[in-house]
Amino acid sequence: EIVLTQSPGTLSLSPGEGVTLSCRASQSISTTHLAWYQQKPGQAPRLLIYGASNRATGIPDRFSGSGSGTDFTLTISRLEPEDFAVYYCQQYGSAPSTFGQGTRLEIK
Amino acid sequence: QVQLQESGPGLVKPSQTLSLTCTVSGGSISSGGYYWTWIRQPAGKGLEWIGRIHVSGSTYYYPSLNSRVTMSVDTSKNQFSLKLSSVTAADTAVYYCARGVYESSGYYLDPWGQGTLVTVSS
Repeated sequence: EIVLTQSPGTLSLSPGEGVTLSCRASQSISTTHLAWYQQKPGQAPRLLIYGASNRATGIPDRFSGSGSGTDFTLTISRLEPEDFAVYYCQQYGSAPSTFGQGTRLEIK
Repeated sequence: QVQLQESGPGLVKPSQTLSLTCTVSGGSISSGGYYWTWIRQPAGKGLEWIGRIHVSGSTYYYPSLNSRVTMSVDTSKNQFSLKLSSVTAADTAVYYCARGVYESSGYYLDPWGQGTLVTVSS
């Protein structure tokens, strides 16, 4: 199975800053079948990005995804207070689908 | 819009069977192109796949839990269900149901239910 490694594990930033989160696959994902989710404390994950770069319905345009092959990124252009959460990537291009271990974004 | 809601006992005794139901509202579970999935998350940890079911009855259970998992669909009630047998404390987690949106070779998850905490304890 494909192992997804997210980095960094934890990031401390301030509102207004920009950030890029990384998701690296142990082998190439043959299609751009990568999704990103946001999870706030006590809440279920929420889909942000699918197909590596497509924003889900209702997701602000400060969130963007890119990448292909083994390297994918999620960029948040200007952090809002509500963006501090845990972010997970998921690959669904190769069975079985797998999740990354998550990146925690915390307020500095 | 489609919403999912998990229900079931919050406390299960060791060696017993955990049973959860996910009720789908705002859309039909029989709509094509979707897989109905279960995922769990132990406290403070990441997301762990359990498995998925299609309305046709086709299932896939992830290897780590394969021998203990059974999923089913009840289209008349717009629900799908999870049974996990022989539970231990290691099965204590928040259990989520989610709709898998199929895209050529796999599926992403949207939306998710709010999750339900199941504790395994005597």
